[in-house]
This record gives sequence, structure tokens and C-alpha cells, in this order.
Amino acid sequence: DQQVKQNSPSLSVQEGRISILNCDYTNSMFDYFLWYKKYPAEGPTFLISISSIKDKNEDGRFTVFLNKSAKHLSLHIVPSQPGDSAVYFCAASVLGGAQKLVFGQGTRLTINP
Amino acid sequence: EAQVTQNPRYLITVTGKKLTVTCSQNMNHEYMSWYRQDPGLGLRQIYYSMNVEVTDKGDVPEGYKVSRKEKRNFPLILESPSPNQTSLYFCASSSPVVAGNEQFFGPGTRLTVL
Repeated sequence: DQQVKQNSPSLSVQEGRISILNCDYTNSMFDYFLWYKKYPAEGPTFLISISSIKDKNEDGRFTVFLNKSAKHLSLHIVPSQPGDSAVYFCAASVLGGAQKLVFGQGTRLTINP
Repeated sequence: EAQVTQNPRYLITVTGKKLTVTCSQNMNHEYMSWYRQDPGLGLRQIYYSMNVEVTDKGDVPEGYKVSRKEKRNFPLILESPSPNQTSLYFCASSSPVVAGNEQFFGPGTRLTVL
């Protein structure tokens, strides 16, 4: 049972345009959401997070939106740059839980020059 | 430099030959976890540890063992590896003082079991 789903295995975007990566979850107990970025031959690195008490969090070119009623979150990257080409994982957790992150399947983002 | 290290980075072995993948962190984190990454499945938690001598099962613990005798180390043990344990493994650490369970990951260990 996949509690966190990223339904797009891949996404291709032109440099300078907006990249939108989507994530859906089923467990209503999740109250904290994170995005990780992963380059080949490296471990995932933390990108941005959002608590369920917010619906938006920004950090430079990266913005995460949370729609609790739809159990949906999205990551917007604008403008997209070639260095953004990577696999992006959405993850969810319960704050106060035992450090348990539940990950989506990942979306491979390719930024074309 | 704050980091999580794993060894080895690559390993090819045969069914049934016991192996250990080491993990070490230098950030004095209380929490450590092991994940495996498989195509189409994302990262799935194998085991986690909340502190020294405190470990618990994650989502896919079958066939694995862990120990946490020191705060900085969290080895993953495969007593009798099987081909379905061929995967990319990540160790991660975090601290409860960091809100939201942000975890720091090691570089990964690619394991092939023949």
C-alpha cells in the first residue's frame, strides 16, 4: 500500500520555465512533508519542507504547496536550471513519530537547454 | 565536514554469504535509519534506531539485522543474503531537535546478490 505517490516517473522542462512536481498521500495522520533531491551516485539531500499548518513554503526558486483537503502537495521550481536535473522524492512523516519518513517513488526531472 | 559515510559503496556477493554494510555519522545525531531504494518503489525504511541500544523495524525488515552499540555507528547485517536483496541501500541520520524529521543521507551502497 503506497501511502505516498508520485504518479509521474519523469518530467522534461525547458530551461527557464517552471517545473511542477506532484505528490499525493493517503494517510491523514501525516503532518509534515519534505522534498528531497537526488543526483546519480549520491544520497538524497533535503530540499524544502512544509508543515500541515501551512499551505505554502518558499525557499529561493523552490516553493512547496500543500492542499490538505486533496491530500496533495506540489513542488514548483522557477526558473528551472540545468543543475535541477535530478530525481525528486516526496516524503511524509508524523511529527513526534519515530523519525519515520515514508517516501514516494520519485520523479526524474530533466531540464533541457 | 558533517557527513554520513557508508562502506562499501559497491558490493557483489553470492547467496548465503553473510555481509555487513557499515554506516557512521559525525553529527552526534540520536536517530539513524536504513533504507533501500528499488525502481518504482522509492525509498523504503528497513530499520531505525532512536538511540544507542534502541532499534526497531521499519517497513521491510525481513532478512536484515542491525545493531546500535555506539551513537555514531549503525551497521546493517545480512546474515544470509538472497537475490531479492539486490538493491541500493542508504543510511540516514537525524536529530529530534531538528523539526520535521529532516534526515541526512549517506552516499549509498549498491549491493548485488548473485
